[in-house]
Amino acid sequence: DTAVSQTPKYLVTQMGNDKSIKCEQNLGHDTMYWYKQDSKKFLKIMFSYNNKELIINETVPNRFSPKSPDKAHLNLHINSLELGDSAVYFCASSPWRQYNTEAFFGQGTRLTVV
Amino acid sequence: EDKVVQSPLSLVVHEGDTVTLNCSYEVTNFRSLLWYKQEKKAPTFLFMLTSSGIEKKSGRLSSILDKKELFSILNITATQTGDSAVYLCAGSNTGNQFYFGTGTSLTVIP
Repeated sequence: DTAVSQTPKYLVTQMGNDKSIKCEQNLGHDTMYWYKQDSKKFLKIMFSYNNKELIINETVPNRFSPKSPDKAHLNLHINSLELGDSAVYFCASSPWRQYNTEAFFGQGTRLTVV
Repeated sequence: EDKVVQSPLSLVVHEGDTVTLNCSYEVTNFRSLLWYKQEKKAPTFLFMLTSSGIEKKSGRLSSILDKKELFSILNITATQTGDSAVYLCAGSNTGNQFYFGTGTSLTVIP
């Protein structure tokens, strides 16, 4: 039973399109994250969300927006896709902040913008 | 600005060698230092370190944290081809944010 699952695993789309990546966790965690991993393997935090508080990395373009229908889901919506958005996007989750624990990752979504 | 820096960026060794991977961090309201191994897909958790000087071990892997020097190392002894991966270091803060380094790509040659 997958703890953090993302769909789709692969996404190929044209410049200018709008796309969404879905993420679900069944761990009962309160905090969820989106990371972008570039070709050099650098994992850059984009957003973290814990039901009521959204923390946005200020370097993330506003074409990217997280949407959370409930605490088990954090979807990533991207408007007007650009070539530079091509990367692997990872969703992750962790328990509420008083627990000292690791982040649990999904399998990643490889986005290719052509 | 919170920052995690890893070195070297890449490393090629022969099976049986011992390697040391380095991680330095500057994280405000620091809580823990984490190591992950990433092969083809998702990063998988290796260690979490919260106290200075206490070594954590798992088989041939071990790690230690120095909170005074803001530094951690990951040691792998008697390396095997299955150890080939990208090793990621992350610093977490009390706000549950995880900041990752650029990773060290390790290749173990038979």
